[in-house]
Amino acid sequence: QVQLQQSGPGLVKPSQTLSLTCAISGDSVSSNSAAWNWIRQSPSRGLEWLGRTYYRSKWYNDYAVSVKSRITINPDTSKNQFSLQLNSVTPEDTAVYYCARDFPWTAEDYFDYWGQGTLVTVSS
Amino acid sequence: QSVLTQPPSASGTPGQRVTISCSGSSSNIGSNYVYWYQQLPGTAPKLLIYRNNQRPSGVPDRFSGSKSGTSASLASSGLRSEDEADYYCAAWDHSLSGWVFGGGTKLTVL
Repeated sequence: QVQLQQSGPGLVKPSQTLSLTCAISGDSVSSNSAAWNWIRQSPSRGLEWLGRTYYRSKWYNDYAVSVKSRITINPDTSKNQFSLQLNSVTPEDTAVYYCARDFPWTAEDYFDYWGQGTLVTVSS
Repeated sequence: QSVLTQPPSASGTPGQRVTISCSGSSSNIGSNYVYWYQQLPGTAPKLLIYRNNQRPSGVPDRFSGSKSGTSASLASSGLRSEDEADYYCAAWDHSLSGWVFGGGTKLTVL
């Protein structure tokens, strides 16, 4: 059974960096078929895909246009996890953040497992 | 403002058939599959329909999906109280090179 366990602070000050981690059990961050995503949800912006990391002989990242200049998603193979860093946050970045798995370019190209969600509030 | 457009609310009585629409464009729904997720309060979204009209194992057959052109719809026939939830459509957008979602529809069982 796949489990995604999120961790990270729930409060971040404006202009600082939001950092979250998603620990994977039951699969590998280095899987040659899975992709590891970050998605957020807020009342004002709804569900918003932020980006993903995946391994296909080498590491790739795809980022949403809306956050491309501020986001980094990194795999950590030693701990079998991946992380999200979002720089220069504003109150608009206040949301519940989820990590999720999918299998792009396959018949299972949907988010099948999700983390528990982390409410991150941007406030001084 | 979400890329895909859904009505904010829908409702029906137990046993009734209810449909939820999702409107997009040629760069998302018009050229890619549509997915539907169900979200109960305080939980992560759960996959309900994939590739326009496929149900994962465990999803009741009263849920069905369809797509035509740049629009899609989710139908729930034989509405039950446990179907009360938020429903989101999603698709890959090749112009944005990313996943896009609808704003969500809150389904109320009267």
